[in-house]
Amino acid sequence: GENVEQHPSTLSVQEGDSAVIKCTYSDSASNYFPWYKQELGKRPQLIIDIRSNVGEKKDQRIAVTLNKTAKHFSLHITETQPEDSAVYFCAASSNDMRFGAGTRLTVKP
Amino acid sequence: DAGITQSPRHKVTETGTPVTLRCHQTENHRYMYWYRQDPGHGLRLIHYSYGVKDTDKGEVSDGYSVSRSKTEDFLLTLESATSSQTSVYFCAIRTGVNTEAFFGQGTRLTVV
Repeated sequence: GENVEQHPSTLSVQEGDSAVIKCTYSDSASNYFPWYKQELGKRPQLIIDIRSNVGEKKDQRIAVTLNKTAKHFSLHITETQPEDSAVYFCAASSNDMRFGAGTRLTVKP
Repeated sequence: DAGITQSPRHKVTETGTPVTLRCHQTENHRYMYWYRQDPGHGLRLIHYSYGVKDTDKGEVSDGYSVSRSKTEDFLLTLESATSSQTSVYFCAIRTGVNTEAFFGQGTRLTVV
């Protein structure tokens, strides 16, 4: 089955800096790659996703890149704000959907 | 809330007892998933369903079974609960393999 690895497990940045989270996957059949944000005590919620026929996607301060050949994808958050502090999960999907172990992002004011 | 409800929201049970968690959706989505969430492990897939009576195992399926007899309900059963199954369980639904998954509120299960 699919195996998704996510790094780093924790990330601390100063407000206004950029944050980058990286994921790798193993199953070449995976063709959909979402990113979820989970705040403490709440359910995960989608922040951005990318499909295998696209290399990059951007939505305001958030961007995702995908390299299908190397089987890795990354989340970039620019101009970070304290409200970006949360746990972020990447996932790789075909029929099933497997998640990375998560990155706890802390943005210091 | 994408029309997805988990029940119960909290449960405490004793080791060795069977437990069933329910995921109910009103969206008519084809795909339904059960995950468990533990510190340091993220969201691990237990079982998923791609249609009525069509289910498959995930990465941590031992000790769990599922059933989906109708589109709207996906049941997760712990056949004989163990303390290692203490966790937060999330259900998710989506309409297709390349679409957003929506999560339920989660069920906190404690096995004592």
